[in-house]
Amino acid sequence: DAKTTQPPSMDCAEGRAANLPCNHSTISGNEYVYWYRQIHSQGPQYIIHGLKNNETNEMASLIITEDRKSSTLILPHATLRDTAVYYCIVRDGSGNTGKLIFGQGTTLQVKP
Amino acid sequence: GAVVSQHPSRVICKSGTSVKIECRSLDFQATTMFWYRQFPKQSLMLMATSNEGSKATYEQGVEKDKFLINHASLTLSTLTVTSAHPEDSSFYICSARGLRGREPQHFGDGTRLSIL
Repeated sequence: DAKTTQPPSMDCAEGRAANLPCNHSTISGNEYVYWYRQIHSQGPQYIIHGLKNNETNEMASLIITEDRKSSTLILPHATLRDTAVYYCIVRDGSGNTGKLIFGQGTTLQVKP
Repeated sequence: GAVVSQHPSRVICKSGTSVKIECRSLDFQATTMFWYRQFPKQSLMLMATSNEGSKATYEQGVEKDKFLINHASLTLSTLTVTSAHPEDSSFYICSARGLRGREPQHFGDGTRLSIL
């Protein structure tokens, strides 16, 4: 599975949009982009995933560039409860054998 | 949304004890389950992948005789840490995925294991 690169940390003001970037320049055609977050001492929480089209759900939006080499997770109105480590992971979705391999992620600190 | 239940949430036991952790998918059939370990201030490290009814596949460096995994049904997987020692103290997290490969994995809330 392709590797991803994320900034180690970011700050965001409460109520503002948080834009978390992710580079995955070696992504292959069958690989999906998944985003998870982990709040301290809890298991990771699924946020969103996509292949090539932009996606939106009740939690966030995922913007994937046309060449699929990078993506951005957008939390439209960040709250203090969004403070967490955010992981961007690419995984082969064509079969049932792909594994989620976690990198170091981005620590997002939402400040009042 | 999909729910994965992990039990117990915390275990404290003496060195040499074997500890069993259960992972259940509550509202979907999990053909594949995963076990991760996380040390303080580190990311999650995949330990093993198990498919229902077959032997688990362990990642490099993970001792299969130390960490016994059973995935006997489509809703239950167990991890047994055998003869646990203080260095096995960690946060263990299970994850489950349904029938279709592109479906997201869902995670349990983890088990904090402390070996005295």
